Amino acid sequence: GAVVSQHPSWVICKSGTSVKIECRSLDFQATTMFWYRQFPKQSLMLMATSNEGSKATYEQGVEKDKFLINHASLTLSTLTVTSAHPEDSSFYICSARLRPSSDEQYFGPGTRLTVT
Amino acid sequence: AQSVTQLGSHVSVSEGALVLLRCNYSSSVPPYLFWYVQYPNQGLQLLLKYTTGATLVKGINGFEAEFKKSETSFHLTKPSAHMSDAAEYFCAVTTQSSGDKLTFGTGTRLAVRP
Repeated sequence: GAVVSQHPSWVICKSGTSVKIECRSLDFQATTMFWYRQFPKQSLMLMATSNEGSKATYEQGVEKDKFLINHASLTLSTLTVTSAHPEDSSFYICSARLRPSSDEQYFGPGTRLTVT
Repeated sequence: AQSVTQLGSHVSVSEGALVLLRCNYSSSVPPYLFWYVQYPNQGLQLLLKYTTGATLVKGINGFEAEFKKSETSFHLTKPSAHMSDAAEYFCAVTTQSSGDKLTFGTGTRLAVRP
């Protein structure tokens, strides 16, 4: 149980285009999902907290207009990287909280974005 | 604010040897502590966690960690390393007051020599 999927697992896009990454909780409803970014050989940095039906809360330094997050249902959150640039190339990982009161997050397998 | 420090970005052990990965935390309120493992190009898998209660927690794959408040530590151990344990390990901390946001350490890459 508590499986989180991401799609696509790997994407290459040209500079200036936008790309959407999906995060789904497959066997549970997640009121809260988190989006992380991980640079090569570095730790995960929280980008934003996504709550179903409301606006995402972004961490300091994360551009809201560049990284659009939508949490339209209890099983799906999307991250859209708009006008992507090579410096946006990274590993993006989402996680979902099983219950509102739960301290545990379940992580997706990640999406590797390469911007050329 | 909370933080995590993982000492040693790379640790190498022989198969069958003790695994010890160090994690120290900083938090002004009682912490919730986690260890995650990440295999190449994959997401994170929870190994174990400490929230309250018993300070020695056991996780999957034979790993365990002990919460030591006096030392602000949560070191991860395994008595006997296996080749399949080679991966990146992350220590993380959160608190109730932080809205359950996880703060991760920089990770320790474990290599297991045959």
